[in-house]
Amino acid sequence: DIQMTQSPSSLSASVGDSVTITCRASQSISSYLIWYQQKPGKAPKLLIYAASSLQSGVPSRFSGSGSGTDFTLTISSLQPEDFATYYCQQSYSTPWTFGQGTKVEIK
Amino acid sequence: QVQLQESGPGLVKPSETLSLTCTVSGGSISSYYWSWIRQPAGKGLEWIGRIYSSGTTNHNPSLKSRVTMSVDTSKNQFSLKLSSVTAADTAVYYCARFHPVPRGPNAFDIWGQGTMVAVSS
Repeated sequence: DIQMTQSPSSLSASVGDSVTITCRASQSISSYLIWYQQKPGKAPKLLIYAASSLQSGVPSRFSGSGSGTDFTLTISSLQPEDFATYYCQQSYSTPWTFGQGTKVEIK
Repeated sequence: QVQLQESGPGLVKPSETLSLTCTVSGGSISSYYWSWIRQPAGKGLEWIGRIYSSGTTNHNPSLKSRVTMSVDTSKNQFSLKLSSVTAADTAVYYCARFHPVPRGPNAFDIWGQGTMVAVSS
């Protein structure tokens, strides 16, 4: 199985800050990397696919980059509605696997 | 727009079989992968398995051979059975659509709201 490791596990930031979350795969997954946002009591929401493509309807302050084993999700100018948990997922091979999540909290 | 809705018992006894159904509305079940994903309280996401509209399945080896998935295209539904459940299977269970390339993002683009299943006697 491909292990996905996110860092940090949690972070505190203020509205307007720029934040970066890292996801590392245990082997190369090319660009088969997806980012989701999950708010409490809700299903995950697709943000970024193919490492850097923005899903329709997602604000442009979200961006993704990387390929191979190292990927990042950046949120520029954090908004109140962005406080949530973020997960990466690889769709390179089954079993599809997720990172453990990064909780973005209000400072 | 396409919506997914999970249904099934919220409480299952240990050693019994958990059975859930996901109903797809607003669109066709054909030509997509359909998955089950679970999330224990306060924890991360675990992919359980997928079924293509043709009936081809793959599941997470971590669940060994406890997983059975099926699809009913006439009802626009797909289902999950997880046998020999224990307390470790207590979680919110989501159904989700995986939209493969080249037509889609190769990601879970639509999710159900999730259903809580507790395993307890």
